[in-house]
Amino acid sequence: AQSVTQLGSHVSVSEGALVLLRCNYSSSVPPYLFWYVQYPNQGLQLLLKYTSAATLVKGINDFEAEFKKSETSFHLTKPSAHMSDAAEYFCAVSTGTASKLTFGTGTRLQVTL
Amino acid sequence: EAGVAQSPRYKIIEKRQSVAFWCNPISGHATLYWYQQILGQGPKLLIQFQNNGVVDDSQLPKDRFSAERLKGVDSTLKIQPAKLEDSAVYLCASSLGGGPDEQYFGPGTRLTVT
Repeated sequence: AQSVTQLGSHVSVSEGALVLLRCNYSSSVPPYLFWYVQYPNQGLQLLLKYTSAATLVKGINDFEAEFKKSETSFHLTKPSAHMSDAAEYFCAVSTGTASKLTFGTGTRLQVTL
Repeated sequence: EAGVAQSPRYKIIEKRQSVAFWCNPISGHATLYWYQQILGQGPKLLIQFQNNGVVDDSQLPKDRFSAERLKGVDSTLKIQPAKLEDSAVYLCASSLGGGPDEQYFGPGTRLTVT
């Protein structure tokens, strides 16, 4: 069975500060890992994904995440937060040829002036 | 490129009534998914289609939920009869194939059961 745990249901940062959203996964086989963003009343949009190539993955809007097998983590970072980054962020995992995504419970990012 | 389309965007029904949701995936995408997102939770896969066939419906409450994908394109998800706990956003997504292919999500249908 596969699962993800997102630490912190709410994260608040100041505009211009570092964004760090935490995700830990559990999988018995090598995983594929994803970060999605959801703006209010919209569907999910893919930020980035790890598919066993480079462990440091760069995504859209200057987001990046690093796959750390030893820590079973896939934390999302952004060097400088912008007001437009305020949204809900979901970490997800899938394995093998199955494309079923298992999502975490989400982290709501608030960006303050 | 047009995205995944869903309708209606909002629906309010009373418990024990029935409701149907419609999804039109991105053209050429073979795989279609229906997710249920309850407030405060991440999306949960209800059913996955590969063309016309069902790949995974292990989390679909089959006593009240049904879904079909005719001709491997559009899909409908039906709930009959609805319960209060079915209040959620129902998201449709599509991808070119399976595996780690990116899933593209529609805007969702927000269902309120009173």
